[in-house]
Amino acid sequence: QVQLQQSGAELVKPGSSVKISCKASGYTFTSYDMHWIKQQPGNGLEWIGWIYPGNGNTKYNQKFNGKATLTADKSSSTAYMQLSSLTSEDSAVYFCARFRYPGIVFDYWGQGVMVTVSS
Amino acid sequence: DIQMTQSPSSMSVSLGDTVTITCRASQDVGIYVNWFQQKPGKSPRRMIYRATNLADGVPSRFSGSRSGSDYSLTISSLESEDVADYHCLQYDEYPYTFGAGTKLELK
Repeated sequence: QVQLQQSGAELVKPGSSVKISCKASGYTFTSYDMHWIKQQPGNGLEWIGWIYPGNGNTKYNQKFNGKATLTADKSSSTAYMQLSSLTSEDSAVYFCARFRYPGIVFDYWGQGVMVTVSS
Repeated sequence: DIQMTQSPSSMSVSLGDTVTITCRASQDVGIYVNWFQQKPGKSPRRMIYRATNLADGVPSRFSGSRSGSDYSLTISSLESEDVADYHCLQYDEYPYTFGAGTKLELK
């Protein structure tokens, strides 16, 4: 069965970086895009971008250019998102979700990673 | 960016009600709209894809429709397990954008 297992919660200091992971299983990792979505407490969902693990291609929401960096390791079927220069505005839950255009759009999600930015 | 204006932001509902939530797209997004259900502390769950298609395992009381740039999610005969937040998503154009969400609460 398809599973996206994300890493644990992070408490990080302002100005630092954090790298969170999303380990895929139950499907061919390199055949689907992996997307990342942000959800601030009590707020809606915000699309960050995607990576295609098959060739490493990425696409970002311009809002997250310079903030988020997406990578993937085919050998471990794991996608990563690094967030840099963290501020309180980056405190949120971050989800990964798989995608294959046009019909398989976020059919499976990770459980989410809570990132808290605090001194 | 395409705006998905979702309404209402919250709704007080009773069991057995028929509930309709709407997203209006600021420009044409065709059929590329999904609906998600989210319960507290959980990941979103895909309910409807490509505007009108019921996702696997989703009860038939859920349905999606489209009229021009208005996309609707309807829940017929609401059950207690349906009380949750609902989000629409357009994936026709980058950046993909979600509606602000609708919170269903029991009266």
